[in-house]
Amino acid sequence: AQKVTQAQTEISVVEKEDVTLDCVYETRDTTYYLFWYKQPPSGELVFLIRRNSFDEQNEISGRYSWNFQKSTSSFNFTITASQVVDSAVYFCALSEFNAGNNRKLIWGLGTSLAVNP
Amino acid sequence: DGGITQSPKYLFRKEGQNVTLSCEQNLNHDAMYWYRQDPGQGLRLIYYSQIVNDFQKGDIAEGYSVSREKKESFPLTVTSAQKNPTAFYLCASSMSTYNEQFFGPGTRLTVL
Repeated sequence: AQKVTQAQTEISVVEKEDVTLDCVYETRDTTYYLFWYKQPPSGELVFLIRRNSFDEQNEISGRYSWNFQKSTSSFNFTITASQVVDSAVYFCALSEFNAGNNRKLIWGLGTSLAVNP
Repeated sequence: DGGITQSPKYLFRKEGQNVTLSCEQNLNHDAMYWYRQDPGQGLRLIYYSQIVNDFQKGDIAEGYSVSREKKESFPLTVTSAQKNPTAFYLCASSMSTYNEQFFGPGTRLTVL
């Protein structure tokens, strides 16, 4: 069965520290997509990144970077030089290819990140 | 601006009443979704729709109903059969079920 595990429930750091959020997934599919979303206190989820299973290149976007490793089934997210505005709940998700070509997302339970001044 | 709107932001209802949550998108997306989020929890899929006039049950469809008469709109009705409806409801859309989903601001429903 497909599954997404975010083992870190809560993380607290001081501003300017680097922080890595872990995401481990399980799937039998050879083709799949992985996603990261940010949910700030306002509640609206913000899409951060989509990565397909054939592209293992790391991605960097400003202070954000993602490390995709199929060998360990992990898709970790690092924030460099964290800022207070990074405080949010971060969700990792995996796309599932179930019967009838209906693809839906399998969500992790999220990691709550608090960045303190 | 393109995006997803949900209304109302806060909703209060008495036990035994049905209530309809609105979701509209102008992104020209084919797929739309409804999720429920409880405090400190992840997202659980209620219903989703890949095209107009078609929708599928998600993981927790009991006590909910939807319609998809227009591409832009995917309203969710929380019926009196839903035992514990107090939650945060999020609507999302995507070009297809293969693409990333974009979310509305959510509706916080409280049953009094």
